[in-house]
Amino acid sequence: AQSVTQLGSHVSVSEGALVLLRCNYSSSVPPYLFWYVQYPNQGLQLLLKYTSAATLVKGINGFEAEFKKSETSFHLTKPSAHMSDAAEYFCAVGLYGNNRLAFGKGTQVVVIP
Amino acid sequence: DAGVIQSPRHEVTEMGQEVTLRCKPISGHNSLFWYRQTMMRGLELLIYFNNNVPIDDSGMPEDRFSAKMPNASFSTLKIQPSEPRDSAVYFCASSFPPFGYGYTFGSGTRLTVV
Repeated sequence: AQSVTQLGSHVSVSEGALVLLRCNYSSSVPPYLFWYVQYPNQGLQLLLKYTSAATLVKGINGFEAEFKKSETSFHLTKPSAHMSDAAEYFCAVGLYGNNRLAFGKGTQVVVIP
Repeated sequence: DAGVIQSPRHEVTEMGQEVTLRCKPISGHNSLFWYRQTMMRGLELLIYFNNNVPIDDSGMPEDRFSAKMPNASFSTLKIQPSEPRDSAVYFCASSFPPFGYGYTFGSGTRLTVV
């Protein structure tokens, strides 16, 4: 079965600094990979997804993630953090033909002015 | 498209009462998922349906929880009787093949059992 590990349950970043959220997956076959963002008192929103096309995926709000098969990673980055990026971020993995996603435990991002 | 619609947004009920949460998936989506989110346990999958049929309910915590999907446009999650430890945010999500599109989540129902 597929699974994901998010390193760090909480991340603090200064406004304007690089945001880096780590996600490693476990899958026996090429996976689909997703990043979701959850703002306070809201549902999860799709930030970006990897579905076996380009390995560098660009998402909304300036975020991007790179699929690295050799490292089984799908880390999320944003060059310059904004106060509005304060939220919880979830990495998820799925397999083609299987519509169940496995979610990570989430990483809470705090942006320091 | 109005997205996945959940109702109510907030529910406060007394211990022992029956609670029913509702979900309307996106039209054309054939898979529906119920999740529970708490600070302690994070995001937990309770049950999911494909084409209105329950596929996996292994995440349903107890017999007090039940879920139905009578048609493609409506699902309910019922808790009877409710207990304080059921207090959580309950999310519904839907998806459609090809699966690479991921899930669309509703805004959730915040349940408080007092």
